Parts: sequence; structure tokens; C-alpha cells
Amino acid sequence: NAGVTQTPKFQVLKTGQSMTLQCAQDMNHEYMSWYRQDPGMGLRLIHYSVGAGITDQGEVPNGYNVSRSTTEDFPLRLLSAAPSQTSVYFCASSYSTLLAGETQYFGPGTRLLVL
Amino acid sequence: KQEVTQIPAALSVPEGENLVLNCSFTDSAIYNLQWFRQDPGKGLTSLLLIQSSQREQTSGRLNASLDKSSGRSTLYIAASQPGDSATYLCAVRLGGANNLFFGTGTRLTVIP
Repeated sequence: NAGVTQTPKFQVLKTGQSMTLQCAQDMNHEYMSWYRQDPGMGLRLIHYSVGAGITDQGEVPNGYNVSRSTTEDFPLRLLSAAPSQTSVYFCASSYSTLLAGETQYFGPGTRLLVL
Repeated sequence: KQEVTQIPAALSVPEGENLVLNCSFTDSAIYNLQWFRQDPGKGLTSLLLIQSSQREQTSGRLNASLDKSSGRSTLYIAASQPGDSATYLCAVRLGGANNLFFGTGTRLTVIP
């Protein structure tokens, strides 16, 4: 198993540009989520999905869109990048909804710089 | 809102020493608490998960304790090794919520 994979590893954007951060898992996990990690603030949940076709907002959803058309993939879209979105983005997954107390598996992260 | 604090922010110890990392949280109505390890430029690796009904969990040289009433958890690392050098994060989940609330981490350096 490749586990949780993320692409790209690093990206530089200009303010106003759009892009999609890719996340995929090959463990047949139902639950997937996106976090951002900023210095001094810890990881914060952006969006999550409890299964294909179902998504919901986390703590900091503004400026981001998600969709879940398949179990394997959970892309994160920035429609108009802003410098405040400079961060490291992590995708995570677990076998079932987090309500069951499942351990989450994290991807290696995407480092995003918005100029 | 749940606040999670980890003190100290950084810790250096000589190899072989036993050490304790601290995590505190403001809302005691948690569902579970997890300790993660993060290596530079890498993702997070789950180390231990403690359900709210449990007092501690052990895995090898690691032991995590949970005291819900005081809003505290500790991660005890025995006989530290240079390979233990990493940032350690704790995260709590409130009952009925899908959100993990993370602390800012303790960066551990084990000196050979």
C-alpha cells in the first residue's frame, strides 16, 4: 500500500491564482480530511468527508473547496489564492468516520507559498 | 472552543534519559486523545490513542497517560535514543465531533 499520497510536494502561487492540491489513499478508507499547519498554531481542520459524495466544513473552510467523487481521492481547491493561505497542507484518512475513534493516517504534506 | 497546549515547545536531552512531554486541554469532554510524531518535512505518525474511558496506553518505550478531570496528558519516553528526535503533537477529539484539535507540539532533540 502507498498509504496517503499528496501532490505536489511544493508549490508557489501568485495572489489570485487557483490550484488543486491532490490527495489519494489506497486503503479503502471512508473518512478523509484536510488540515493546514501554520507556525505556532498547530494543525487546523479545513474540510472533511465521511464517504464518497459527502463533504463538510471544518474549523477554517473559507477560501477552500472540496469534492469527493470517489473513495480514493479528496482534492482541495483554492479558487483565488491569498498570502494568508501560505501554509503546509496535510491530507489524512481513516477507515471509518472519526466518531469511531479510528487512528488517522497522514500524507507527507504540500508546502504552499502564495506571493 | 477547545484549546490544546504543549509545554515545553522544545526539549533537549542526552541519550538514555527518560523524559516526559506534557499536553493540556481546556474542555474535559473529550472523546479521545492521540499522540503523534512528526519528522521534519514529513507527515504525522500516530503513536498512541487513548479513549476517554482509559487512563493510559503503552507501546514499547512509550507510555501515554490521560487525566480528563484535570485536562492533562503526558507522554513518557523511556531510555531516549537519537532516533526519537522529532516533534511530538497531541490532539484531542470532542465527543460527537469530527474535528481533531492539535497542540503546537514539542520539538525533542536527543543528543548522542
